[in-house]
Amino acid sequence: NAGVTQTPKFRVLKTGQSMTLLCAQDMNHEYMYWYRQDPGMGLRLIHYSVGEGTTAKGEVPDGYNVSRLKKQNFLLGLESAAPSQTSVYFCASRRLGQGAYEQYFGPGTRLTVT
Amino acid sequence: AQSVTQLGSHVSVSEGALVLLRCNYSSSVPPYLFWYVQYPNQGLQLLLKYTTGATLVKGINGFEAEFKKSETSFHLTKPSAHMSDAAEYFCAVSGDYGQNFVFGPGTRLSVLP
Repeated sequence: NAGVTQTPKFRVLKTGQSMTLLCAQDMNHEYMYWYRQDPGMGLRLIHYSVGEGTTAKGEVPDGYNVSRLKKQNFLLGLESAAPSQTSVYFCASRRLGQGAYEQYFGPGTRLTVT
Repeated sequence: AQSVTQLGSHVSVSEGALVLLRCNYSSSVPPYLFWYVQYPNQGLQLLLKYTTGATLVKGINGFEAEFKKSETSFHLTKPSAHMSDAAEYFCAVSGDYGQNFVFGPGTRLSVLP
């Protein structure tokens, strides 16, 4: 049981390049999330999904797109990277249902845009 | 809508001293509350969570937290700090179905020898 995994772990992009970050979970969770973490700003929600084929915007969605074609995968895309998108990106998942179900986090992807 | 505040972005304690990290929340519904820890260059991992029932919650690594509804607080404590406790700690609140899962800004804990 690997939990939540993220690919790649590190990436350096030039301004204007595109890339996709992959998140995979093997816990059969319905909910999945993408966050970015910047110094002094905590975690900010980019997009989330409440099930296969559904996505929704979070707090800071501009410049990002997401897709949830398979229940176990949640992709985050940057179409035209900007230096302001330099950050550490975390994926998380959570089970469906009523209750104190925590989010499970991946190890993060460190992205630098030059 | 839920929100979380954490008093003190950086807390320093001596090894062996009491650790107290503060968390206050606002919620329009009975909340579920969580504490996460993030070690350097790692993801977040759950320390403990409050559901219903007992207001004193014990977690991993000797940490515990007490839910005080009247004070809308969920402070994290550990009687004796260890060097390995140096990390960033996040308090979070969610509603019944995981909607509006909101994280606080985090508190960085330093442990001095």
